[in-house]
Amino acid sequence: RKEVEQDPGPFNVPEGATVAFNCTYSNSASQSFFWYRQDCRKEPKLLMSVYSSGNEDGRFTAQLNRASQYISLLIRDSKLSDSATYLCVRAGGSYIPTFGRGTSLIVHP
Amino acid sequence: EADIYQTPRYLVIGTGKKITLECSQTMGHDKMYWYQQDPGMELHLIHYSYGVNSTEKGDLSSESTVSRIRTEHFPLTLESARPSHTSQYLCASSEYGYNEQFFGPGTRLTVL
Repeated sequence: RKEVEQDPGPFNVPEGATVAFNCTYSNSASQSFFWYRQDCRKEPKLLMSVYSSGNEDGRFTAQLNRASQYISLLIRDSKLSDSATYLCVRAGGSYIPTFGRGTSLIVHP
Repeated sequence: EADIYQTPRYLVIGTGKKITLECSQTMGHDKMYWYQQDPGMELHLIHYSYGVNSTEKGDLSSESTVSRIRTEHFPLTLESARPSHTSQYLCASSEYGYNEQFFGPGTRLTVL
């Protein structure tokens, strides 16, 4: 089993929709989690960190469920500019960050 | 914006050539990383460093080598380029004790 697993999608949603992605991880000792956004042929950029208490930044909400070993990203009121690949990352202590394969989101008019 | 730079941004080179991809960061980060990513595919870690004179191989076997003589500089070298090395190479850095990574813009390498 891969350390970090994501549904590659693509998720096709209309503008204004709410969409959620999950990411499962296998190492229960993982301490830190992140969501990155990667546009086509560009470098990944940090979208948000994921805390045990949850984290909200505008239209984006990230949650961590340690019992079930998954993190989630919720995007409300999707915009065309949200179209990208969303990468889930787990890290912790001396662990080298491990990236998931990414989930592709396409927001259409 | 992250202060991490990669040169060249694009490189087309013939088989058998030796190449060095440059990566520099001005944030004073101790940790640096090299990833390889094919279009539409996942990132693969090929090398990382915890600090000066520290280098480790990543998950993906690579024929490249790296060095870390200065904190801000983490070059990657291919002694003899082959078409199978055609890919995008991304450099990243992070502060020791923190896991947020900052990525450079990448080098897109094509080996003919």
